[in-house]
Amino acid sequence: DAKTTQPPSMDCAEGRAANLPCNHSTISGNEYVYWYRQIHSQGPQYIIHGLKNNETNEMASLIITEDRKSSTLILPHATLRDTAVYYCIVRAWSGNNRKLIWGLGTSLAVNP
Amino acid sequence: GAGVSQSPSNKVTEKGKDVELRCDPISGHTALYWYRQSLGQGLEFLIYFQGNSAPDKSGLPSDRFSAERTGGSVSTLTIQRTQQEDSAVYLCASSRQGSNAEAFFGQGTRLTVV
Repeated sequence: DAKTTQPPSMDCAEGRAANLPCNHSTISGNEYVYWYRQIHSQGPQYIIHGLKNNETNEMASLIITEDRKSSTLILPHATLRDTAVYYCIVRAWSGNNRKLIWGLGTSLAVNP
Repeated sequence: GAGVSQSPSNKVTEKGKDVELRCDPISGHTALYWYRQSLGQGLEFLIYFQGNSAPDKSGLPSDRFSAERTGGSVSTLTIQRTQQEDSAVYLCASSRQGSNAEAFFGQGTRLTVV
């Protein structure tokens, strides 16, 4: 599975959009981009995933560049409860969770 | 239950003692994973169970670590002769369809070896 690069930390004002970038320049054609987040003292929580089209669900939107070498997770109206570490992971659909490489993620602080 | 349940939530043990960590996966989930997360680090895969297949133990850091899954449901991770470097949060996850399905995580067990 390809490796990802994320900024170590970001700040966002409450109510504003939080845009979290991720670079995955070595992504392969069959690899999906997954986002998880981990709120302090809790287990990771799945947010969203996508292959090449932009995706949206009740939690967030995922924008993947046309060359698929990078993506952005968007939390449209960040709240204090969105303060967490956000992990970007790439994985083949036929791949497996046990081989995922979990980096250090981006620590997002949502400020009042 | 509604989610993956792990117990205990916190465990403090003396160096050299054995510990057992328990995981109750989501009902009906055939795949179960154990991960370890040291302070400020990403998740480290330990072991994977899928149905009745032989578990993938490739992530276990030493032979002091073992895990079993009884009846395809509850799993126990055992660490023998604990060392201070074993201190970490141990996370359990389960998934529905196997190794490529979404994993749902428990809250973890924070293990402190003193």
